[in-house]
Amino acid sequence: DVKVTQSSRYLVKRTGEKVFLECVQDMDHENMFWYRQDPGLGLRLIYFSYDVKMKEKGDIPEGYSVSREKKERFSLILESASTNQTSMYLCASSTTGGGGGINRPQHFGDGTRLSIL
Amino acid sequence: AQSVTQLDSHVSVSEGTPVLLRCNYSSSYSPSLFWYVQHPNKGLQLLLKYTSAATLVKGINGFEAEFKKSETSFHLTKPSAHMSDAAEYFCVVSDHLVGSASKIIFGSGTRLSIRP
Repeated sequence: DVKVTQSSRYLVKRTGEKVFLECVQDMDHENMFWYRQDPGLGLRLIYFSYDVKMKEKGDIPEGYSVSREKKERFSLILESASTNQTSMYLCASSTTGGGGGINRPQHFGDGTRLSIL
Repeated sequence: AQSVTQLDSHVSVSEGTPVLLRCNYSSSYSPSLFWYVQHPNKGLQLLLKYTSAATLVKGINGFEAEFKKSETSFHLTKPSAHMSDAAEYFCVVSDHLVGSASKIIFGSGTRLSIRP
């Protein structure tokens, strides 16, 4: 079974702090994703990566950066946390099936609920 | 441009009655369509997917969805609701492009409640 593990279920930080959210997958998937989930807005894509050291901006990248130094690990970084970044953050991974693209089913972690005070 | 609209933010049905969760989409390309379910304090789990094979797609837990190109719809149905179906459901559209051109869009979600 595919497992996507997010390092923390709950996290509380202060405004201005640099925050790291970590995600690890164990299925050798090429693609990895970071989303934030807010009530009534569904999931919004922050960044995705289709290979080691490769990244693409999603719909709401402002205030975030990512790092993918190893295939199994994808980190989300809040450079200077602000209260409007309080949210649920979900990591996901998927295979490309050898053809590239992000149109295959994604496997999700259980999420990190981040509060910025 | 792609978009996806879930027509109901909340649906409530009685246990044992049919479930219908509605989803309309738009896509410039031949899309892939998915339904995911999210139980409280959990990540999303794939229910089913459409990728240009059969238009009637069967998923897990008795759910199915029909791709109707003429109506640009991908509604999720189940003949008989169970209490364990209470959850949030997301309709998702993505394209078949690669790299930076790839797009994936999630609907805003439909919360399904089941009355005893």
